Amino acid sequence: GQQVQQSPASLVLQEGENAELQCSFSISTNQVQWFYQRPGGRLIGLSYIPGMKPTGKQTSSTVTKGRHSSLTISSSQTTDSGTYFCVLRAGANTGKLTFGHGTILRVHP
Amino acid sequence: EAAVTQSPRNKVAVTGGKVTLSCNQTNNHNNMYWYRQDTGHGLRLIHYSYGAGSTEKGDIPDGYKASRPSQENFSLILELATPSQTSVYFCASGDDWGGSWETLYFGSGTRLTVL
Repeated sequence: GQQVQQSPASLVLQEGENAELQCSFSISTNQVQWFYQRPGGRLIGLSYIPGMKPTGKQTSSTVTKGRHSSLTISSSQTTDSGTYFCVLRAGANTGKLTFGHGTILRVHP
Repeated sequence: EAAVTQSPRNKVAVTGGKVTLSCNQTNNHNNMYWYRQDTGHGLRLIHYSYGAGSTEKGDIPDGYKASRPSQENFSLILELATPSQTSVYFCASGDDWGGSWETLYFGSGTRLTVL
């Protein structure tokens, strides 16, 4: 099946710093979305369309091209701490989704 | 905001027992999903559904059954629970919009412990 690789596995920032989370996958597609999960919480979709500002968090953006996607978090805040998942859909007509293992982000004040 | 409600929030079961996890969504989404989340594996798709009466196998369907009796409800059934099925289970719903990527709305999760 398709593979989704995320890097780094974990990341520590000081508040105000920027970060770029990476995702690579085994097929070329734009059917990619990023999700955020606070510890013990539900997953929340961060972006609908690659390249557009995601809903719910206006200081991040995504770029997806070929077999790669990245999520940029700008001016990080402690409330950004959590796990970020890259999710791939096999095709436009399938509901089958593959999650990466996630990047754990900790933002310190 | 789409609402997806899972029940129970926590469940302790015995090996060999039957467990049913329930999921309800109130936004008339066609697609619903069951995932399990384990440390080191991320989220893995167990079963999904395109609408009432349909169920499809995901990546790890063995040991699980699914039921979609209505647009709103999607259940995950463990007929003979095993300790390896101890995990946190998430239900999600979503829909395509304009042919572009759908977004998923997740429930809060069910923590299942099989003793």
